[in-house]
Amino acid sequence: KQEVTQIPAALSVPEGENLVLNCSFTDSAIYNLQWFRQDPGKGLTSLLLIQSSQREQTSGRLNASLDKSSGRSTLYIAASQPGDSATYLCAVKGAGKSTFGDGTTLTVKP
Amino acid sequence: SAVISQKPSRDICQRGTSLTIQCQVDSQVTMMFWYRQQPGQSLTLIATANQGSEATYESGFVIDKFPISRPNLTFSTLTVSNMSPEDSSIYLCSVVLPESNTEAFFGQGTRLTVV
Repeated sequence: KQEVTQIPAALSVPEGENLVLNCSFTDSAIYNLQWFRQDPGKGLTSLLLIQSSQREQTSGRLNASLDKSSGRSTLYIAASQPGDSATYLCAVKGAGKSTFGDGTTLTVKP
Repeated sequence: SAVISQKPSRDICQRGTSLTIQCQVDSQVTMMFWYRQQPGQSLTLIATANQGSEATYESGFVIDKFPISRPNLTFSTLTVSNMSPEDSSIYLCSVVLPESNTEAFFGQGTRLTVV
């Protein structure tokens, strides 16, 4: 059974800092890994998708890496802004369904 | 990409009643998934809904409590039956496009409060 763990559970940083969110998974037989953003009381916004054959993906200030053999992914956020405050979820996709981590709640202070 | 419309976006319901959540996709998809996110917890898969066959439920979820319909390739419903306060959650539907078969797209969710 796939298990996904995200560390830290919560993170508070001053505006402008670079930060790293971590995601680990137990079963490396995945199709892809996706990072999502969730704002309070709302649905999910897909940020980055990394296929199992890829090592990293970049979108603007976001960079996600994937090391499938070690079961790890990181989400790097550069020059954080208050608008980045949200819960960040990683999800690994196996045969059909996705398994989610518990998320990292990020607060960026002005 | 896929655009997913979920209705209602939120509801407050009395215990013992049932609520049906609708999920409409702007393209034909084979696999649709229903997730639940209880307060303070991560998303948990309820069931996989494939068109033309019965839904497949994950451990801890049963058809009598969460009946699912999948009448065609663009639409699905999830019913939360005989609700109790413990059913208060965000419910999300998700799809995987046939051509990609990998990237998951999510609706905006239905925020359910049972009183």
